[in-house]
Amino acid sequence: KQEVTQIPAALSVPEGENLVLNCSFTDSAIYNLQWFRQDPGKGLTSLLLIQSSQREQTSGRLNASLDKSSGRSTLYIAASQPGDSATYLCAVSSGTYKYIFGTGTRLKVLA
Amino acid sequence: DAMVIQNPRYQVTQFGKPVTLSCSQTLNHNVMYWYQQKSSQAPKLLFHYYDKDFNNEADTPDNFQSRRPNTSFCFLDIRSPGLGDAAMYLCATSRDQTSLPTDTQYFGPGTRLTVL
Repeated sequence: KQEVTQIPAALSVPEGENLVLNCSFTDSAIYNLQWFRQDPGKGLTSLLLIQSSQREQTSGRLNASLDKSSGRSTLYIAASQPGDSATYLCAVSSGTYKYIFGTGTRLKVLA
Repeated sequence: DAMVIQNPRYQVTQFGKPVTLSCSQTLNHNVMYWYQQKSSQAPKLLFHYYDKDFNNEADTPDNFQSRRPNTSFCFLDIRSPGLGDAAMYLCATSRDQTSLPTDTQYFGPGTRLTVL
């Protein structure tokens, strides 16, 4: 059974810092891995999707990497801003239309 | 703008009183999903529809049912809500992944359910 873990559970950093969020999964047989952002009391917004055959994806200040063999993904946020404060969730697709989410990392960027 | 809409945003019901949550989409996506997210926990997939084909997750309680009368609408029915069913309920859509395996899910804002 696929399990997804995110570390740390919470993170507080000063504005401008580069930071890394971690996601690990137990079964390497995945279709893709996605990173989402969730603002308090809101739905999820997709940030990056990495196919199982890819090693990384980039969008603006965000870079996500995938190492299937070790069951790990990282989300790198460059030059963090207060507007980046949110919960970041990773989700693994382990089958068609099946997604397993991690519990997220709650990020606070201090001005 | 094309989007996923959930109504109501906040729902209060009494223990054991049936409740229905609504989701609609203007994206014309084949697939619609319902997730349950309890406080500080991961979203948990309850079921999904591929067109009218209903797919229940093995551990989704029988208390939860769903209907999809057409492409645009999907409903979550909780037949006898218990205190443990208080959560955020998220609706999402996606296109056909057999032809677009890299496509993402698009989420609505969620309905927060309180059970008294």
